[in-house]
Amino acid sequence: DIQMTQSPSSLSASVGDRVTITCRASQTISTYLNWYQQKPGQPPNLLIYGVSSLRSGVPSRFSGSGSGTEFTLTISSLQPEDFATYYCQQRYFFGGGTKVEIK
Amino acid sequence: QITLKESGPTLVKPTQTLTLTCTFSGFSLSTIGGGVGWIRQPPGKALEWLALIYWSDDKRYNPSLRSRLTITKDTSKNQVVLTMTNMDPVDTATYFCAHAYYRDSSGYFFDYWGQGALVTVSS
Repeated sequence: DIQMTQSPSSLSASVGDRVTITCRASQTISTYLNWYQQKPGQPPNLLIYGVSSLRSGVPSRFSGSGSGTEFTLTISSLQPEDFATYYCQQRYFFGGGTKVEIK
Repeated sequence: QITLKESGPTLVKPTQTLTLTCTFSGFSLSTIGGGVGWIRQPPGKALEWLALIYWSDDKRYNPSLRSRLTITKDTSKNQVVLTMTNMDPVDTATYFCAHAYYRDSSGYFFDYWGQGALVTVSS
């Protein structure tokens, strides 16, 4: 089975900060890597699909990149509404999540 | 507009079988590229992928739970049903269903989700 490891598991950041979250796969995967944002009491919301494609309506401060076994989600300038938990997903597996908290 | 809603028991006893129904609108499971998946989330924990059924009736299961899971679809009723046998208190979680969209270049992704249904396993 493929293991998806996210790091860090949590981080504290300020509004305006650049934030990078990493997702590492236990073996080389294709471009089937998606990112979701989840706020408390809500279902996850798709942000990025296919490594780097931004879902329509998602702010352009979100971007995805990577290949092989290492992938990143970047928030270029953190906004108040971005404080949430972020998950990567590859086919049939989710990462363990990264909680982004206010510093 | 795509919507999905999970329904089923809120409380099940250990060893019982859980049956959850996802009722959806705004898409058809006979349309090429579509699918419905189930994902769960124990309280305060991470998401766990459970199962996925495609428009073609192709099915995929979480390898660690495969022996306990069955996913089926009723295209005429716009429903997908997930059954999980031999429930245990560790299976207490919010269970989500989600619309899966498949693209050759991107694989599939979950673009619309239900609000989730909390299932508690307790005697």
